[in-house]
Formats: sequence, structure tokens, C-alpha cells
Amino acid sequence: SQTIHQWPATLVQPVGSPLSLECTVEGTSNPNLYWYRQAAGRGLQLLFYSVGIGQISSEVPQNLSASRPQDRQFILSSKKLLLSDSGFYLCAWNLRTGGRSPLHFGNGTRLTVT
Amino acid sequence: AQSVTQLGSHVSVSEGALVLLRCNYSSSVPPYLFWYVQYPNQGLQLLLKYTSAATLVKGINGFEAEFKKSETSFHLTKPSAHMSDAAEYFCAVTPGNTPLVFGKGTRLSVIA
Repeated sequence: SQTIHQWPATLVQPVGSPLSLECTVEGTSNPNLYWYRQAAGRGLQLLFYSVGIGQISSEVPQNLSASRPQDRQFILSSKKLLLSDSGFYLCAWNLRTGGRSPLHFGNGTRLTVT
Repeated sequence: AQSVTQLGSHVSVSEGALVLLRCNYSSSVPPYLFWYVQYPNQGLQLLLKYTSAATLVKGINGFEAEFKKSETSFHLTKPSAHMSDAAEYFCAVTPGNTPLVFGKGTRLSVIA
């Protein structure tokens, strides 16, 4: 069966520090991969998605970047965190079968920028 | 572009009462629709999905949703609420060739 791992679960970082969140998927090949951010009362905001190694689409211009160095690995990064980067970050995957394939989510990372 | 509106950011029901969470969508083509549930500090879990087959979709934990094209709605229902249903619920839509777009969520409280 497929599993998705996301870490760390919680993170407290000072303003101006770098960020690296990692997500890996097991049990499937060639998944689509996604990073979402969740802020209270604002639902889920799609940040990045990837349909293959090295292929990254950015939905919102901001202080973050994403990379996909391996087929089942997706990394969210920042060179210098801002207070507004605080939130709950969720990684997700689905199959490349079009819209009928549901997203499967990791357990999230709670990021607090102080 | 597709969008989702969830009416009511917070819904409160008594244990054993009907649960009704509303979702209206906008899509230029026949959509795929999903409902997800999120418990505190966890990721989202798929409840059910509509992918152009039966318009009444049954999901996990006794939930179901009905796709109504004429009303552009996909409301989530459960006949009898249980305390364990207290969580946040998200409706999502995609036309099929772009990532899911989520509503802002509805927090369900269940009162004993």
C-alpha cells in the first residue's frame, strides 16, 4: 500500500532563517506531488505541484521554492523565512490519471516563525 | 477557473441529528468533486468522491453526498451525527486537468 511521510511534524524558526521541509511517498511510482499551506479560516492554498522530476509549477509567487530531486521526494524550501510563512504545510500525492484520482495527504508540518 | 464555496464556516448539531454541510462549485466543464475531513493537527482524509458516475455518492463513516448539476451543488450529509464526527470538512473541485481547488472549510461541532 502507498504511504506518505512528511517531516518534521512541528518546527519553530526565527525570522530570516532558512527552511527545508521534506516529503516522501512509498508504494507508487510517478506520482503527482503537491505542497499546500493551510492558514486558519482560509482553507488550503496550493503552493507548488510537480508532475515529474525537476518539473515544478508555482501557483503563488512568494518567499518559498520547491524541488523534486527524486521521483517520490518533494522538498519545500526558503532562504529567509518571514513571519507570514507561519502555517500548517501539507504534502500530498495522487496518480497521473487525471482528476478522478484523489489526493492523499501527509500529516502536515506546523511551522511557527518567531 | 473553478471555485468552491462552502456555506457556513461553523456548523453545530446535536448528537443523533442530521448533518448537512453545504458546498457549491463553479466549473466550466463537468467537474470531479471531493469531500475531505481533517481532525486537529492532522492531514486531510478522503471521505468520498464524485467522478461522473452515480450522482449519489456514499463515503466512509456513514457520509454521503449528492451531485446536483442544476444547482451546482455537492452537499454532504449524514443521517445521525456522532461525537466522533466533530472535525473540519473541506469540499474540493477540479475539471480534471488542474490541481484540486478547496473551499475554506466548515468546522462541525457535535453537542452531546
